[in-house]
Amino acid sequence: NAGVTQTPKFQVLKTGQSMTLQCAQDMNHEYMSWYRQDPGMGLRLIHYSVGAGITDQGEVPNGYNVSRSTTEDFPLRLLSAAPSQTSVYFCASSTSGGPYEQYFGPGTRLTVT
Amino acid sequence: QKEVEQDPGPLSVPEGAIVSLNCTYSNSAFQYFMWYRQYSRKGPELLMYTYSSGNKEDGRFTAQVDKSSKYISLFIRDSQPSDSATYLCAMSSRIQGAQKLVFGQGTRLTINP
Repeated sequence: NAGVTQTPKFQVLKTGQSMTLQCAQDMNHEYMSWYRQDPGMGLRLIHYSVGAGITDQGEVPNGYNVSRSTTEDFPLRLLSAAPSQTSVYFCASSTSGGPYEQYFGPGTRLTVT
Repeated sequence: QKEVEQDPGPLSVPEGAIVSLNCTYSNSAFQYFMWYRQYSRKGPELLMYTYSSGNKEDGRFTAQVDKSSKYISLFIRDSQPSDSATYLCAMSSRIQGAQKLVFGQGTRLTINP
């Protein structure tokens, strides 16, 4: 089992550029989530999905889009990158039954200049 | 007021010391209480979880939950330099059919040889 994989590991974007962060899991988890982690802010939920075809907004969704066409994949799209989106992004998947523990990917470090 | 409060530290202790990490919470609906460990430049990984009030032990780690006080703790005995990491508490429940998971801010811990 690879668990949760994310690509790329590092990315530098210019303001206004768009890109997609890839996330895949091989644990057949229904729930998948995207978080961003900033110094002093902890983990903040961007978007999540409870199954293929179903997505919803988290705490900080603005500037990001998601879709879930398969159980395995949950890409995060930055529509028009801004310096405020400089962060470390983590994808996670979780079980549908309690305790809902998250299995995290290795993260993508994004810098927007 | 945040639903989950965690002292961000940083906390620095000598090798062999007993470490106590704590979180408080305000939502009495939380059912599961988790601790994650995050090494530098890595994704968080689940350390242990508990379901009810009381203690749960796993090697040098003990998780303690006091639901009446809305307070959880993680104790690390005989701390080692390899325990140096950021520790995040997390709490989850199922509310109105939807999974809810909230993370604390994380406490950065350094164990000095």
